[in-house]
Amino acid sequence: GAGVSQSPSNKVTEKGKDVELRCDPISGHTALYWYRQSLGQGLEFLIYFQGNSAPDKSGLPSDRFSAERTGGSVSTLTIQRTQQEDSAVYLCASSLQTDTEAFFGQGTRLTVV
Amino acid sequence: QQQVKQSPQSLIVQKGGISIINCAYENTAFDYFPWYQQFPGKGPALLIAIRPDVSEKKEGRFTISFNKSAKQFSLHIMDSQPGDSATYFCAPGGFQKLVFGTGTRLLVSP
Repeated sequence: GAGVSQSPSNKVTEKGKDVELRCDPISGHTALYWYRQSLGQGLEFLIYFQGNSAPDKSGLPSDRFSAERTGGSVSTLTIQRTQQEDSAVYLCASSLQTDTEAFFGQGTRLTVV
Repeated sequence: QQQVKQSPQSLIVQKGGISIINCAYENTAFDYFPWYQQFPGKGPALLIAIRPDVSEKKEGRFTISFNKSAKQFSLHIMDSQPGDSATYFCAPGGFQKLVFGTGTRLLVSP
C-alpha cells in the first residue's frame, strides 16, 4: 500500500485485558511515531522510533504501555491491563526523516468497557 | 524542553474572512515548520510547511508567516470557506522528532 496502515481500525476490549495495535509505515520511512487522541482533543505523543536509535519513550503514560518496531518497519503498540481511561484513537505516523512530512494512518479506535 | 504553544484553541470565522492561527516554540534547533489539517475521523495531513530560510510561503489561500527571532510561525487562511472547518496543528521539527501543538478547532460559518 502507498500509505500508513493501521490495524485493527476499531477495537473493543474488556477492562484488564491486553491489546496490541499494529502500524505498517510507508516503506523506507525511518521515523515512526505513535500518538493518542482523545475525543475532541489534541495529539498526545507516546513514542518515537528513528532508524536504529533507541526509541524516545518519554510520552508513554505508564509502564502498561510498550512498543516495538521490528526490522525498522512494522511497529506494535501494546497496552497491558487496559483501563477505561485508555479509550482513545491511537494514531501512527511515519516520515522519511525527522524534518519532512509525516504521514498518518487512519488510526485505531480503542474502547475499553 | 521542546514546548510548542498554539493559539487560539478555537476560532470561529465567517465565510470569506481571514483565519489566523499562531504557534510559538522554544527549541531553536527546529528547522522545519509545518501545519497539519485534521478532519473528524481522519488522521492529520500536511497542509503547508516552511523552512527557516524564508519568512513567508503562500499556497493558494494558505500562507505561513515565519518569525525566527520571535520563535513563532502562523497560518493564515484567506477567504475562509466552510470546507476549511477542521482542527489545525503546528508541528515544528528538525534533527529530533516533530513536536505537535495542542490544536486549533476552526469553524467557518456559512
